[in-house]
Parts: sequence; structure tokens; C-alpha cells
Amino acid sequence: AQSVTQLGSHVSVSEGALVLLRCNYSSSVPPYLFWYVQYPNQGLQLLLKYTSAATLVKGINGFEAEFKKSETSFHLTKPSAHMSDAAEYFCAVRGGYNKLIFGAGTRLAVHP
Amino acid sequence: NAGVTQTPKFQVLKTGQSMTLQCAQDMNHNSMYWYRQDPGMGLRLIYYSASEGTTDKGEVPNGYNVSRLNKREFSLRLESAAPSQTSVYFCASRNSGGQGLGETQYFGPGTRLLVL
Repeated sequence: AQSVTQLGSHVSVSEGALVLLRCNYSSSVPPYLFWYVQYPNQGLQLLLKYTSAATLVKGINGFEAEFKKSETSFHLTKPSAHMSDAAEYFCAVRGGYNKLIFGAGTRLAVHP
Repeated sequence: NAGVTQTPKFQVLKTGQSMTLQCAQDMNHNSMYWYRQDPGMGLRLIYYSASEGTTDKGEVPNGYNVSRLNKREFSLRLESAAPSQTSVYFCASRNSGGQGLGETQYFGPGTRLLVL
């Protein structure tokens, strides 16, 4: 069975600082992994996805994530945080019948 | 092209009342999903429909029923609402572009449900 663990329910960074949101997965098969972002009172928007091609995946808004099989990780990074990045971020792994299994989410706060 | 739409956006129910949440997508996707989002728990799958005419239970199906009316529409029904069903409900649809291609679920804006 697949599962996802997001380390840290809340992360706070200064504007311009590095953003690092952690995600570890468990999967008995080669995983498909996703990062979604949710802005307040909105639905989820896909940031990026890993589907067994390049291990370094670039997404929208300057985010990227690196798939590390040896560490079972898929951490999300952005070199320089912007105020508009404040949102909740969800890591997910594809499960059976193509359903998504989500982590609990990490709320990112960006302060001046 | 509106993507995934959901109605209503917000609803207040009394315990025992029933209601149907509507979802429609205009992207010609085969698969559709209903999730609920609760604080600290991420999104959990309630029901899904791999194709028109088929539905299957997800992780938390108790207290819900679904109907895949046609390829576009996938509704979620609460027959007798309970306070534990207070949540934000998201509908999603998925394109299916082959092995690893197009593996993206598109989400609607959500329905906030409060059961008193």
C-alpha cells in the first residue's frame, strides 16, 4: 500500500529565503508523485509531478522537487520565497485505480 | 473551458437532512473523484468513478452515495447528514494520457459543508 508523510505541518520562512517542504513516501511499486498547492478558499492546483522520467522535476512558480529513491523522498524546494507563496502544500502518491493518496499538508507562511 | 465546477459553494444542513453535491467537468475525462478535506488529515478519497457507468468506494465511503450521471457529471449524496460530515468536499477529474503521461487530477473549487 502507498502512503505519504509530510514532515512539519507548519513552515515559516522569510521573504527571499529558501523554501524546503519535506515529503517521504512509501510504495510497493515505482511511484508517481505529485505536489499540489492550495491557496486560501480555493481548490488544489498541480505544482509538479514525477512519473519516472527525470528525477529533478521543475514545476510552476519556480518550484522544483527531486525524487530520491534511496531516501524515499520527494522534497519540494524554491530558492527564494515570495509573499505570494504562502499557501498549503500537499504531497501525494498515486495509489491503486489512479486515486491519489495525500499527505496531511504543510502550511507555508512567508514573512517580510 | 471551465474545468471542474462544483455546486453549491457553501451549505449548512441540520443533522438528518439530505443533500446532493454536484460536480461537472468539461475536459472529456473518464475518471472522476470525490474527496473530503479535514484539518490535519489532507484529502481522503470518498468515492471514485473510473469511467461512465462505474463507481467504487474509496477510503471513507460510509454515509455517502454517488452517481455517475454521464461522462461529465459525478454527484455525491448525503442521505442523512451527521456533524462528522462537516468538511470541505472536492471533486476532481483525471486525464489518462497513457503510462505516466497526463497523470494529473484537476480539482474543483470545493464545497464547504457545515452540519449542525
